[in-house]
Amino acid sequence: KAGVTQTPRYLIKTRGQQVTLSCSPISGHRSVSWYQQTPGQGLQFLFEYFSETQRNKGNFPGRFSGRQFSNSRSEMNVSTLELGDSALYLCASSLGIAGLATGELFFGEGSRLTVL
Amino acid sequence: DAKTTQPNSMESNEEEPVHLPCNHSTISGTDYIHWYRQLPSQGPEYVIHGLTSNVNNRMASLAIAEDRKSSTLILHRATLRDAAVYYCIRHRDNYGQNFVFGPGTRLSVLP
Repeated sequence: KAGVTQTPRYLIKTRGQQVTLSCSPISGHRSVSWYQQTPGQGLQFLFEYFSETQRNKGNFPGRFSGRQFSNSRSEMNVSTLELGDSALYLCASSLGIAGLATGELFFGEGSRLTVL
Repeated sequence: DAKTTQPNSMESNEEEPVHLPCNHSTISGTDYIHWYRQLPSQGPEYVIHGLTSNVNNRMASLAIAEDRKSSTLILHRATLRDAAVYYCIRHRDNYGQNFVFGPGTRLSVLP
């Protein structure tokens, strides 16, 4: 079965622009979360969606936003890009919302964003 | 606050067992211990998770101390493909996907 698909894989933007990243979860998975990975800060949680509702949000400014569609696909948007937003953005999906005691996160390969 | 402590790096020889330690001294009763690994240029990959009892799967074993303040991920026979960063995460059940990843342990496997 297909894994988590993220597009685009690589992109370059300039400061002040905005970017939209897309994530298609594994078929049947309803929970999607986003993480930012940088060399300095490591992996940091951005937000999580289940059934089109944001369930958790990490400690990121309002320039970072996301949404989930009825087919569970998710997008995240970063507006007014800053140099520090250069990172690998990872999407993960899981089967349900009822905790992770019986489940696991499946990560995509990420979208690498470079801000010039 | 990663809530877990791991060595920055470890080295192993190919085909030998590897024991990756993790300290989580402030763990609470509803926190599970999860292990993920990240191979170069890939997203993290689930390895194993557990609550109190030792756990085994096709990838690894997880040994949890009786007081749950520490755990050890055991790779029974390291291969070159096991070279990765290994993350130990404590996470409250029913708390969503907001994992707190620490810096992890970078495992090198020598041929």
